[in-house]
Amino acid sequence: DAGVTQSPTHLIKTRGQHVTLRCSPISGHKSVSWYQQVLGQGPQFIFQYYEKEERGRGNFPDRFSARQFPNYSSELNVNALLLGDSALYLCASSLRGGSSYEQYFGPGTRLTVT
Amino acid sequence: LAKTTQPISMDSYEGQEVNITCSHNNIATNDYITWYQQFPSQGPRFIIQGYKTKVTNEVASLFIPADRKSSTLSLPRVSLSDTAVYYCLVGDSTSGGSYIPTFGRGTSLIVHP
Repeated sequence: DAGVTQSPTHLIKTRGQHVTLRCSPISGHKSVSWYQQVLGQGPQFIFQYYEKEERGRGNFPDRFSARQFPNYSSELNVNALLLGDSALYLCASSLRGGSSYEQYFGPGTRLTVT
Repeated sequence: LAKTTQPISMDSYEGQEVNITCSHNNIATNDYITWYQQFPSQGPRFIIQGYKTKVTNEVASLFIPADRKSSTLSLPRVSLSDTAVYYCLVGDSTSGGSYIPTFGRGTSLIVHP
């Protein structure tokens, strides 16, 4: 079975630009979560979606937004990019939302903002 | 928000047992404790999950005391390939019903020959 897939693998953007990252969950999983991981730190939670509804939001500015589609895939959008947005963006899928379900992580999208 | 604290780094030798403890003093009643392993340039990989007492699977054991304010991941007989960063994750279900998981900074485990 295919694991969680993310696209693109790497991305270079300029300050002020917009970026869209994509994630396809494991088949049968209905929840997708997004994390930002800066080098040397643990993943920081951005959003969780379950059944196309937002179920959790971390401490990130409104420049960050996401959505989940009917096929349970998801997009993370970041507007007005800042240098500090450079990070590895991880997507994780699980059967359902909440903490009792094991999350399966994708390989991540490496975003560099110059 | 739930906050976790782990040792920054640990060293061990092949064949030894390694215990990594995570403190999570304000864990919510209905939150589970999950441990992940991460290699460089990869996403975290699930190791084990528990709610209370002891859980064991084919790769690790997880010990959770009755007050659930901490947890200990036990890796039996580590090998060089266990060199990685280990994270504990607890959820934080807010009163509004939303879910905010919190990873710690992770413990960098180095296994020596």
